[in-house]
Amino acid sequence: QKEVEQNSGPLSVPEGAIASLNCTYSDRGSQSFFWYRQYSGKSPELIMSIYSNGDKEDGRFTAQLNKASQYVSLLIRDSQPSDSATYLCAVVPSGAGSYQLTFGKGTKLSVIP
Amino acid sequence: DTAVSQTPKYLVTQMGNDKSIKCEQNLGHDTMYWYKQDSKKFLKIMFSYNNKELIINETVPNRFSPKSPDKAHLNLHINSLELGDSAVYFCASSQWDRSYGYTFGSGTRLTVV
Repeated sequence: QKEVEQNSGPLSVPEGAIASLNCTYSDRGSQSFFWYRQYSGKSPELIMSIYSNGDKEDGRFTAQLNKASQYVSLLIRDSQPSDSATYLCAVVPSGAGSYQLTFGKGTKLSVIP
Repeated sequence: DTAVSQTPKYLVTQMGNDKSIKCEQNLGHDTMYWYKQDSKKFLKIMFSYNNKELIINETVPNRFSPKSPDKAHLNLHINSLELGDSAVYFCASSQWDRSYGYTFGSGTRLTVV
């Protein structure tokens, strides 16, 4: 069973702080990694993708990937109340499971004004 | 323009009924999916179609039957609805290599009473 693990939270941070969301995955052969944001009652929205080790920045968001540790993270700088949502980590596994994205259970983030 | 559209958005029905959910994408993607999101927000793959061909059929009761008349449409028919079928069902689409993640529809909230 190829798994993606996330701390379910809730993670509470004050407005303006850095929010750090973490994800680990079990399939060492995974090559593609994604972060989705899901507001309550809405569909998941792709916010970041990362494919190689290191950091990838997009505005206030930074995705970090460490394939040796099988770890991917999302940093949100200058957190805003509008960032309050559930963040889903998703991985494209290798081999027979590569037809699907495997999702973690999500981390609920609350940004306190 | 809506990229992935699902209908209906809400569906309330009695146990034992048969219902269908429709999905259409105008992104030119060749792979479409049905995911189920339970009350704990966990997204689980149900089916995947590539160019009208079934690729994935996870452990889903055979009361659920997907149909893909062409690569832009993927419908989900559910027979003999049960209370446990209550969930949000998301349609999604992607390119075959999945490297760029999925685009999700807005979801169908199914409530079985």
